[in-house]
Amino acid sequence: EPEVTQTPSHQVTQMGQEVILRCVPISNHLYFYWYRQILGQKVEFLVSFYNNEISEKSEIFDDQFSVERPDGSNFTLKIRSTKLEDSAMYFCASKVGLALNEQFFGPGTRLTVL
Amino acid sequence: AQSVTQLGSHVSVSEGALVLLRCNYSSSVPPYLFWYVQYPNQGLQLLLKYTSAATLVKGINGFEAEFKKSETSFHLTKPSAHMSDAAEYFCAVIVNTGTASKLTFGTGTRLQVTL
Repeated sequence: EPEVTQTPSHQVTQMGQEVILRCVPISNHLYFYWYRQILGQKVEFLVSFYNNEISEKSEIFDDQFSVERPDGSNFTLKIRSTKLEDSAMYFCASKVGLALNEQFFGPGTRLTVL
Repeated sequence: AQSVTQLGSHVSVSEGALVLLRCNYSSSVPPYLFWYVQYPNQGLQLLLKYTSAATLVKGINGFEAEFKKSETSFHLTKPSAHMSDAAEYFCAVIVNTGTASKLTFGTGTRLQVTL
């Protein structure tokens, strides 16, 4: 069964460093998402991406964040200068089409900023 | 704005007992509601969804949920808990802000199943 994959499973970085979180969505899916979950808190929407551009972004998704689909299979989230408060589990999701289709989630990348 | 509230961050039941996980929604328009499950070290898996068809929705692993407009609720139930049901459960609502349709999640309920 097709699944969303994410790498790495755990990333440790120093404050101020750049990180890139990688996701491979399901191959025929058209919509892509990043969510994050700070330890002990709810899962929060970061950004959605469709047709090679951002569809919507949350207040969390400031200028330090960017997304890219560099090669038609990968979907990346870059944090330019990490802060302590960026420590969280980051989930990638994808869905095949409009509105009510199921979003399929990857297993997440745990980012720890020291 | 649409939102969901999950009552009880931790629920503990005995194996074989009824599982009831509570979710209430707030929405000015008919909502589309979801339950996701997260097993340890795994991603979020869809259990079931309500999309304005039948109010009683059956999902995977024996779970079901009933949409009750009068109570603004979408509680998740399972008649008989199994040890393998131990996980974190999230209620979510779709916020239709264009085609992307982002999910807004509740705070989650951790289900513990004891012998």
